[in-house]
Amino acid sequence: EAQVTQNPRYLITVTGKKLTVTCSQNMNHEYMSWYRQDPGLGLRQIYYSMNVEVTDKGDVPEGYKVSRKEKRNFPLILESPSPNQTSLYFCASSPQPAGAYNEQYFGPGTRLTVT
Amino acid sequence: KNEVEQSPQNLTAQEGEFITINCSYSVGISALHWLQQHPGGGIVSLFMLSSGKKKHGRLIATINIQEKHSSLHITAPHPRDSAVYICAVPIQGAQKLVFGQGTRLTINP
Repeated sequence: EAQVTQNPRYLITVTGKKLTVTCSQNMNHEYMSWYRQDPGLGLRQIYYSMNVEVTDKGDVPEGYKVSRKEKRNFPLILESPSPNQTSLYFCASSPQPAGAYNEQYFGPGTRLTVT
Repeated sequence: KNEVEQSPQNLTAQEGEFITINCSYSVGISALHWLQQHPGGGIVSLFMLSSGKKKHGRLIATINIQEKHSSLHITAPHPRDSAVYICAVPIQGAQKLVFGQGTRLTINP
């Protein structure tokens, strides 16, 4: 089954404790992206990757890091989480860049709470 | 003003009552996505369209490129159609989607 998986689905952590949210897709997609969703602000792009070892900042990259060492995986790293990073996070993948005419596949979401 | 605006923000209707959600955008596009987000949080793609109309079951999406406007219609909605519906516009060259704020749809039995 074609899918994007994320782990963990729910996470409560404390300020400053490094964490990683994993994302994996089994569709051999080149393009992957991370979004955060906040009430009243909708979905906003954090980082994206065009292919292995090719990543770039989205609209709200501050406080986040990513890596793309393998085509299928695109982890999101919070080196020192702060309460303003409490949000619902989505990973997405597609065969071509999001700006092209192609379907987007979203992961199930990770609800992160930073206290 | 947001680049992608949806209306209404909230919509409550009775089961079987035809509903329409609107999306207007100010950025140039090649296509527009309609997405559905269920209360559990997951997002699924409903439609991707660049012209005219697409239909999938009771869902119909239309787009008018000249007027930069798209609509999502649900004929005879069920309570299980209750969800947040989001339109998203691809930004060519910027490698991203710009999302509307979403429309929270509640269908009462």
